[in-house]
Amino acid sequence: KQEVTQIPAALSVPEGENLVLNCSFTDSAIYNLQWFRQDPGKGLTSLLLIQSSQREQTSGRLNASLDKSSGRSTLYIAASQPGDSATYLCAVRPLDSSYKLIFGSGTRLLVRP
Amino acid sequence: KAGVTQTPRYLIKTRGQQVTLSCSPISGHRSVSWYQQTPGQGLQFLFEYFSETQRNKGNFPGRFSGRQFSNSRSEMNVSTLELGDSALYLCASSLDGFYEQYFGPGTRLTVT
Repeated sequence: KQEVTQIPAALSVPEGENLVLNCSFTDSAIYNLQWFRQDPGKGLTSLLLIQSSQREQTSGRLNASLDKSSGRSTLYIAASQPGDSATYLCAVRPLDSSYKLIFGSGTRLLVRP
Repeated sequence: KAGVTQTPRYLIKTRGQQVTLSCSPISGHRSVSWYQQTPGQGLQFLFEYFSETQRNKGNFPGRFSGRQFSNSRSEMNVSTLELGDSALYLCASSLDGFYEQYFGPGTRLTVT
């Protein structure tokens, strides 16, 4: 059974720091992995999608990597800003035909001015 | 291009009642998925529809049901509401169920 873990559960950093969020999954048979951001009480905003054949994806200050064989993904945020404060969720899509995402519990990020 | 829309945004119901939530996907997307988010359980998959067919259902009781219309809009229904059904219900759309998922703002359901 696929399980997704995100550590740490919460992170507080000063503005300007580069930071890394971690996501691990137990079954490497995935179709893709997606990173989301969620602001309190709001829906999910898609940040990056990495297909299983890819190693990384970049969008602006965000870079996500995928090591399928070791069951790990990282989200790198460069030069963090207070506006980056949110909960970051990773989700994997299993290779089976379940048509669903399996989510981690998220990392709550606070960027202090 | 308009994003995923969900109505209503907030609902307050009492135990035993039923509720219907609506989701309009991004134009051209034929797959709609529903998720329940609670502080204790996180995000859990409810079901997925593609071209009016339910392709998968999560581990929820039969009180939770859904459907999809020919224009890809989807509804989910919860009957005989329980206090534990209080949650944020999120809808997501994608082209075919495998590509990038785009989520709506959610419907906050409170059961009293």
